[in-house]
Amino acid sequence: GQNIDQPTEMTATEGAIVQINCTYQTSGFNGLFWYQQHAGEAPTFLSYNVLDGLEEKGRFSSFLSRSKGYSYLLLKELQMKDSASYLCAVREGRDDKIIFGKGTRLHILP
Amino acid sequence: DGGITQSPKYLFRKEGQNVTLSCEQNLNHDAMYWYRQDPGQGLRLIYYSQIVNDFQKGDIAEGYSVSREKKESFPLTVTSAQKNPTAFYLCASSQTATNEKLFFGSGTQLSVL
Repeated sequence: GQNIDQPTEMTATEGAIVQINCTYQTSGFNGLFWYQQHAGEAPTFLSYNVLDGLEEKGRFSSFLSRSKGYSYLLLKELQMKDSASYLCAVREGRDDKIIFGKGTRLHILP
Repeated sequence: DGGITQSPKYLFRKEGQNVTLSCEQNLNHDAMYWYRQDPGQGLRLIYYSQIVNDFQKGDIAEGYSVSREKKESFPLTVTSAQKNPTAFYLCASSQTATNEKLFFGSGTQLSVL
């Protein structure tokens, strides 16, 4: 079976840096997504990692280690609008099943 | 504009009633997915389909049914067997065998009267 773990909640200060971790156990790993979701809205795409390493996209970066079953999302220069839930999801198997973790609620303090 | 459309945005179900949530995409994607989200929780997979006329159960398929008669459409029926249907339902699509991201619809909030 599959298992995706991420912290339930995190708090950080405006202008700071925060790292949200995600660990997973799946069969037939094909890739890992990070999505941002504001309350009552659909998730919006942040990143997709297939190979090991760090991918940077503006203030957001995502890292993947397939051997460790580990990923993190790094958010720099935090803004109040970054207060949201961050969802880690894994694409697995020949049938491209996509499974989400329970999400991390990030609170930004002024 | 290409995209994925869910309707209705809000839906109410009476006891013992079946209701159907619509999901249509014009992205020419092969794969489509239905997720359920409860307040403060992540997304749980209900059903998914990789190709027309074929679909697989996700982690919480009991009380739900789907069909995939056309590539662009993947309706979800919440049956009377689903005893706790109140949730936010999200439909998504993606191209298979590629590194393409998952595109989401805007969601349907289902409530029980």
